[in-house]
Amino acid sequence: ILNVEQSPQSLHVQEGDSTNFTCSFPSSNFYALHWYRWETAKSPEALFVMTLNGDEKKKGRISATLNTKEGYSYLYIKGSQPEDSATYLCAFVMDSSYKLIFGSGTRLLVRP
Amino acid sequence: GAVVSQHPSWVICKSGTSVKIECRSLDFQATTMFWYRQFPKQSLMLMATSNEGSKATYEQGVEKDKFLINHASLTLSTLTVTSAHPEDSSFYICSARGRGGYTFGSGTRLTVV
Repeated sequence: ILNVEQSPQSLHVQEGDSTNFTCSFPSSNFYALHWYRWETAKSPEALFVMTLNGDEKKKGRISATLNTKEGYSYLYIKGSQPEDSATYLCAFVMDSSYKLIFGSGTRLLVRP
Repeated sequence: GAVVSQHPSWVICKSGTSVKIECRSLDFQATTMFWYRQFPKQSLMLMATSNEGSKATYEQGVEKDKFLINHASLTLSTLTVTSAHPEDSSFYICSARGRGGYTFGSGTRLTVV
């Protein structure tokens, strides 16, 4: 059984704080790692698709890194804002089946 | 950007009845549709994968006769929960894979009473 783990489960930070979350995944048969941002009552929104060991991607104040050899990815948010409050999901893709295996998410709450 | 419309967003049904959930890709062709469900405080769990015009492939432990998936066109896939029971109460969400990657519906909260 493939296990994708995210930590922490939830995080409460003050506006302006920087924060990061972890996604751990199997280091064998790696194909891709996806990050999504999911607000309540909305569709999950794609943030990053990462495929190469050492990949670093950035979108505004959000960035992500990837280590496929040790099986982890970090998501960083710099200067958190209340609108960053959401659940952040990572999903592991093992092979060209394109199936996404999700972690249980990190719920972020940014207080004004 | 790509949009997947999922309906209904919530439904309450009586035990023993069937419920159909629909996912429609509005501005792209979905070659593959994935169906997930999520129980409280758990991950999105893949139930099945369907390609247009062919039978769905179900994950281990998912009853194909209970969760009927139809992917008759490149823009429409449906999931029917047949003879629903309270233990089928869950959050169901679809994800369409097209040329631009994956696009999710907004989910359906099913409550069986």
